[in-house]
Amino acid sequence: GDSVTQMEGPVTLSEEAFLTINCTYTATGYPSLFWYVQYPGEGLQLLLKATKADDKGSNKGFEATYRKETTSFHLEKGSVQVSDSAVYFCALSARDDKIIFGKGTRLHILP
Amino acid sequence: DAGVTQSPTHLIKTRGQHVTLRCSPISGHKSVSWYQQVLGQGPQFIFQYYEKEERGRGNFPDRFSARQFPNYSSELNVNALLLGDSALYLCASSSGTGVDEQYFGPGTRLTVT
Repeated sequence: GDSVTQMEGPVTLSEEAFLTINCTYTATGYPSLFWYVQYPGEGLQLLLKATKADDKGSNKGFEATYRKETTSFHLEKGSVQVSDSAVYFCALSARDDKIIFGKGTRLHILP
Repeated sequence: DAGVTQSPTHLIKTRGQHVTLRCSPISGHKSVSWYQQVLGQGPQFIFQYYEKEERGRGNFPDRFSARQFPNYSSELNVNALLLGDSALYLCASSSGTGVDEQYFGPGTRLTVT
C-alpha cells in the first residue's frame, strides 16, 4: 500500500543553519505531496504542497520539490530560526482521498 | 473566520466507557475527516464524511463510528474504550472530497485509564 518514510529525529540545529529533512514515498499513481508542521500544543498546519512531478512547494522560507524519479519530497530551509522548532510531517494523498502521514521528525533549533 | 473547532480539548475516560468527540468545520466546508494521532506517530486516517455520507474508512475496528449533521458538523464515537485508544484525535475539514486543502483543528486529547 501507499506509505511515507521520513528521517527519524530529533534533529538539532543551531540558529541560521541549513535544514534538510528527507522524505520518500511509495504510491500507486501520482499522489499530491505535503509537508505539515505541528507546533507544541497545536494542531497540524499545512506548510507546503506539490501536486505533480517537478513542482516546487514553498512557504515561510521552506521548500520541497516533487521528485518522481527518486520518489522523494525533501524539506529544506536555508537558515532556520528558533521559532521553527516543531514536528514536521511528510504526507501524501492516496487514491481514496485520505492523507497518509509519515511518523514525523522533531526539530530543535538552538539559539 | 473561525477555523476548525473541536470539543472537548481534553478528556479522561476509563476502559470500557464510551466517548463522543465533536468537530465543527470551517464555514462553507462540506467534508470532515477524522484522524488518530498516537504519541510519537503520524496521524492515521479514521473516516471521511462528505454531505453527510461516509466517503472513506481507515483500518479501525467497528468500535469507531462517526456521523455528519446537516450543518456539516461531525461526531466521532468510540465504544468500549481500550488503553490503546489514548491519542490526539484530529478533525480536518475541506470544501470538497479532495485532500489538497484540508484544514486541521487543534484536536481532542483522549486519555483512557
